[in-house]
Formats: sequence, structure tokens, C-alpha cells
Amino acid sequence: DIQLTQSPSFLSASVGDRVTITCRASQGISSYLAWYQQKPGKAPKLLIYAASTLQSGVPSRFSGSGSGTEFTLTISSLQPEDFATYYCQQLNFGPGTTVDIK
Amino acid sequence: QVQLQESGPGLVKPSETLSLTCAVSNYSISSGYYWGWIRQPPGKGLEWIGSMYHSGISYYNPSLKSRVTISVDTSKNQFSLKLRSVTATDTAVYYCARHDYSRHRKFDSWGQGTLVTVSS
Repeated sequence: DIQLTQSPSFLSASVGDRVTITCRASQGISSYLAWYQQKPGKAPKLLIYAASTLQSGVPSRFSGSGSGTEFTLTISSLQPEDFATYYCQQLNFGPGTTVDIK
Repeated sequence: QVQLQESGPGLVKPSETLSLTCAVSNYSISSGYYWGWIRQPPGKGLEWIGSMYHSGISYYNPSLKSRVTISVDTSKNQFSLKLRSVTATDTAVYYCARHDYSRHRKFDSWGQGTLVTVSS
């Protein structure tokens, strides 16, 4: 059973900041890693799949990288609508990272 | 684009069986994806429950496998979740989703979610 961890659990950032979230897998998962954004009361939204492929319609300020056991989600310039919780996922999900307004 | 809609009782008694259905529109459930269930307890993270292909091939979260059955009804273009012997810890928002299990493992379309409370 593959476990995913995320760091940090919580981060405060300002509009325009570059934000990076890390996801680590307990064993190698090749590039089978997706990232989701979830806002309160809403279903998660797929941002990135296959570790680095941007889902159609997702702004290009979102990017993903990594393979094996370590992956990152980067938001190049944080926008007001990006304040949310982010989850990585292989089969199961990581614990989430909440991005809040500084 | 594909749309998914969960339905079922919002309140289930402890020890009983939670049953939910997900109706799929604008896409044939037989056309090559898996169909999955994910849940989220209030204020907590996401947990994958399981996924099924229209042929009957299924994968379940080991932590729930003994209590879960997912089934697919291609004639109605819907799929269902049964979770047996529920307790208060099964209280959650339950989401259905289209699961690209074979290629990328991603959930690319989601229902809006339905809250199920386990209480007497």
C-alpha cells in the first residue's frame, strides 16, 4: 500500500508569490501522480496528471515535476483564486496542503 | 462534457448499509474508463474507496475492501457504492468520479458530492 506525504501542510503566501508544494511516495510510482485543487464546499479539480501534464483549461502558472518518489507542484505567481487546498494522488491521496492568504 | 451526479440517503443508521448511485451523462460508461468513489469526512482529506471497469474488474482501498462493493449498470449508465456495517467514522461527503486508472490513475471528472451522515 503506497503512502503519500505532502509538505508543508499549511502555507501562507501573498498574491504574486511563487509557491512550491512537495509530495513524496513511500515507494516508486513512476509518473503516476496527479494534483488537485479543492475549494471549500466544492469537488476537487484536476490540475496536473502524469506528474507534469497540465489538464486542459488549467492556467499555465501551474506546473508539476518529478518522478519515482518525489514530486512538486509549483504555482509561478499566486493569484487570489488559487487560495485553496491542494492534494497529490496516486491511487489514494496525500493529506493535503492548504494555501492561505498572508 | 461528461457529468456525474450522486444520489442516495443522506442519513444512515449505524451497522446498516450505505448505498449511493452515480448517474453518468454525456458519456457511455462502457467506453473505456474506470468509475470510482472517493470520500471526505468533514474537515478532513480525501480517501479513495474503490473503482470499477464496466467489465467488472475492480480495485478497492485495502482499508475498506472488506466492507465495500462497487457495481456498474451499463443499461442505466450508472454505477453504485455499497458500504456495509457503517459507523460514525463513515460520515463523509461521498464523491463519484471518472477514473483514468489504466493510463494515468487520474480522476478527471467529478460529481458535486453528497453528504452522508451515520447516526441513529
